[in-house]
Amino acid sequence: KAGVTQTPRYLIKTRGQQVTLSCSPISGHRSVSWYQQTPGQGLQFLFEYFSETQRNKGNFPGRFSGRQFSNSRSEMNVSTLELGDSALYLCASSEGQGIATEAFFGQGTRLTVV
Amino acid sequence: QQQVKQSPQSLIVQKGGISIINCAYENTAFDYFPWYQQFPGKGPALLIAIRPDVSEKKEGRFTISFNKSAKQFSLHIMDSQPGDSATYFCAARKRDDKIIFGKGTRLHILP
Repeated sequence: KAGVTQTPRYLIKTRGQQVTLSCSPISGHRSVSWYQQTPGQGLQFLFEYFSETQRNKGNFPGRFSGRQFSNSRSEMNVSTLELGDSALYLCASSEGQGIATEAFFGQGTRLTVV
Repeated sequence: QQQVKQSPQSLIVQKGGISIINCAYENTAFDYFPWYQQFPGKGPALLIAIRPDVSEKKEGRFTISFNKSAKQFSLHIMDSQPGDSATYFCAARKRDDKIIFGKGTRLHILP
C-alpha cells in the first residue's frame, strides 16, 4: 500500500505570492489533516477534512485554506505569503471514522518564503 | 485543557542506556495516545500507541507506560542505539477530533 504522498517536496516563493500544496492520502483513508512544523512552534494543527468537509480547524489566519476532493486527495492554499509562513507543511491521513485512529504522515513540503 | 506537555526538550543518552520521555495531559476525553518518531527531512512516523484501558504496551525496545489517574504517559527506549537519535513527539487524540502534539524531544544517543 502506498503511503501518504505530498507534492511538491520543496518550494520557494516570494512574499505576497500564493501557493497550493497537494496531499494524496493512503488508499481507503478518508480523513486528511494538515500541520505546520517550525523549529520554534513544533507541530501546529491547521485543519482536518473528512469526506470533503472541514471537520476541525486550527488557529491560523484566513490566508490558510484547504479543501478535499471526492477521491480524498486534499490541497491547502496559502495566499499573500509572509516570511513567517516558511515551514515544513505536513499532511496526515487516517481512516477517520469513529474511534480515534492512527494518522500516517507524508514527508512534507518544505516551503521557503523569500 | 487541550495541551500535551512533553519533557525533556532534549536528551542525551549513552548507547545501551534507557531513554525516557514524559508527557502529561489535562483532557480526560483523550482516548488515544500515539508516539511519533521524526528523522531530519522526514515526516513523523508512528512508533507506538496506547489506549487508556491498558497501563503498558511494549513493542520491541519501545514501551509506553500509561498512568490514567495521574494523566501521564511516557516512552521508554531500552538498549538505546545511535539509530534511535531523532525527535520524538507524544500526542493525544479524542474521537473525531484533531491530534494534539507535544513540543517534541530531541534525543541523541552517544556511540
